[in-house]
Amino acid sequence: EAQVTQNPRYLITVTGKKLTVTCSQNMNHEYMSWYRQDPGLGLRQIYYSMNVEVTDKGDVPEGYKVSRKEKRNFPLILESPSPNQTSLYFCASSLPSGSGVDTQYFGPGTRLTVL
Amino acid sequence: SQQGEEDPQALSIQEGENATMNCSYKTSINNLQWYRQNSGRGLVHLILIRSNEREKHSGRLRVTLDTSKKSSSLLITASRAADTASYFCATDASLFSGGSNYKLTFGKGTLLTVNP
Repeated sequence: EAQVTQNPRYLITVTGKKLTVTCSQNMNHEYMSWYRQDPGLGLRQIYYSMNVEVTDKGDVPEGYKVSRKEKRNFPLILESPSPNQTSLYFCASSLPSGSGVDTQYFGPGTRLTVL
Repeated sequence: SQQGEEDPQALSIQEGENATMNCSYKTSINNLQWYRQNSGRGLVHLILIRSNEREKHSGRLRVTLDTSKKSSSLLITASRAADTASYFCATDASLFSGGSNYKLTFGKGTLLTVNP
């Protein structure tokens, strides 16, 4: 089944404790992206990647790192989480478009709480 | 930064009625997309419309795009209780606008409630 998977689905952690949220897709998509969703703010893009070893900042990259060493995986790293990073996180992937961003396939989400 | 803004923020209708949601954006785009989200779950893609298209249909969905007004509308006809969800528009940025055409910006969404 074609899908985007995220792990963990739920995570409660404490301030400053490094964590990684994994994202994997089995559709051979070149484009992958991370978003956070907060009440009243909609989805905001954190980082995106056009292909292996090619990443770029979205609108809210501060406090996050990403890497794209393999086409299928795009982990999100929080080196020193803070309470303002408490949010619902989504990973998504898509095929490359001739221009712009094509249909995004979303993972189920990771609900992160930083105490 | 460029952002799609949906209007209205919330919409409540009766089953069988049509629902119209609007999206406005600020700069030139390549593509505009509409997504649906059931409470707290992942987003599901509905329709993608390219900047050189004016209208697209998919089942009970009709999307229009007016690049001169920088706006789009999503029409759901003959709504059902199962259509209750949040609906988001998302835009990238044309290189002519000076933005990255691989950066995707979502609006804050319209919460649609369809009453049985």
